[in-house]
Amino acid sequence: AQSVAQPEDQVNVAEGNPLTVKCTYSVSGNPYLFWYVQYPNRGLQFLLKYITGDNLVKGSYGFEAEFNKSQTSFHLKKPSALVSDSALYFCAVRKVGTGGYNKLIFGAGTRLAVHP
Amino acid sequence: GAVVSQHPSRVICKSGTSVKIECRSLDFQATTMFWYRQFPKKSLMLMATSNEGSKATYEQGVEKDKFLINHASLTLSTLTVTSAHPEDSSFYICSAPAGGSSYNEQFFGPGTRLTVL
Repeated sequence: AQSVAQPEDQVNVAEGNPLTVKCTYSVSGNPYLFWYVQYPNRGLQFLLKYITGDNLVKGSYGFEAEFNKSQTSFHLKKPSALVSDSALYFCAVRKVGTGGYNKLIFGAGTRLAVHP
Repeated sequence: GAVVSQHPSRVICKSGTSVKIECRSLDFQATTMFWYRQFPKKSLMLMATSNEGSKATYEQGVEKDKFLINHASLTLSTLTVTSAHPEDSSFYICSAPAGGSSYNEQFFGPGTRLTVL
């Protein structure tokens, strides 16, 4: 069964430092992986996705993620954190549903707190 | 990117009443839309898949008679919480896949916060 794990409930980073938000996955077949960000009382915003190709995927707002097949990981990274990056981050994996449509299975979420 | 709207953004209702939440894709067509429920400080739980022109597909454990879904057109899906109770209070979010294909990333609405008194 497809699943996603985000082992950290919260990540604290000082502004200007690099940040990493961890995600590991379990899928049958090739993984389609996504990262989304949620600001308070808002819907989710798409950051980036991995479908195929280069293992390093670049996305919105300076974020990137590295797909590592051997470690079944898809960690989100940013070289220099901003206070405005503070939000809730979700990793997700595509799950093939019945009838041909595809669903997203979300991790539990990681709250990123960037301190000035 | 594509825009998905939800209405209302916030609703407070009395126990026993029904509440309708609308989800619209503003600049693209969506034959499929998804409805999620999010509890405080928790992840999103997929409730159902809304299919234009056919019945919605519900996830295990979600009462289809409680949460009525209608995909009236290629740009509109509605979720009706029938005979709402306080335990139905939650943040409801809809999404639609970009480009009409569920292989693509999903665009999410801003969410609707339902409070049942």
